[in-house]
Amino acid sequence: GAVVSQHPSRVICKSGTSVKIECRSLDFQATTMFWYRQFPKKSLMLMATSNEGSKATYEQGVEKDKFLINHASLTLSTLTVTSAHPEDSSFYICSARGSGRRYNEQFFGPGTRLTVL
Amino acid sequence: RKEVEQDPGPFNVPEGATVAFNCTYSNSASQSFFWYRQDCRKEPKLLMSVYSSGNEDGRFTAQLNRASQYISLLIRDSKLSDSATYLCVVNTFTGNQFYFGTGTSLTVIP
Repeated sequence: GAVVSQHPSRVICKSGTSVKIECRSLDFQATTMFWYRQFPKKSLMLMATSNEGSKATYEQGVEKDKFLINHASLTLSTLTVTSAHPEDSSFYICSARGSGRRYNEQFFGPGTRLTVL
Repeated sequence: RKEVEQDPGPFNVPEGATVAFNCTYSNSASQSFFWYRQDCRKEPKLLMSVYSSGNEDGRFTAQLNRASQYISLLIRDSKLSDSATYLCVVNTFTGNQFYFGTGTSLTVIP
């Protein structure tokens, strides 16, 4: 149980375009999902916390107008990178907070590798 | 001061060796502790939770020291397949944020 999927797994786009990444909890309901980015050989960096039915909470230094997060249902959160630039190229990983007795665990999606040309 | 600090390594050990990683955390209100494993270009996967009394899962032993605010992970009889980055993660029970260490890189050498 507690499977999280991400789509797409890899995307290459041109500079200036927008890219949407989906994060789904497949077999449980996730009121809270997290979005991270990771640069090569670096640690995960939390970008924002996404709560179902409310606005996301962004970490300091993360532009909310550039990284749009929508958590419209208990099983889906989306991250849209708007007007992408080469410096946005990174590995984006979502995770979902568990429920019930697994509330203090988080379950990661397989990640999306974004390359902006 | 960072919420969670880890020695980034790298640790290069021969097969069969025992290796230990430590991780310190700054928030004394932290309640939940975990070790995750991350393989290159993959997502982190939960290795084990860390309980107050310490816990063991096969070759892996996790310990928590609340007084000194650190957690540890001991790997016995290292296998080549143990090569990965090990992340410690800390969460405050009432908080909605998980704090990650920068990860400790382990390479097990034949």
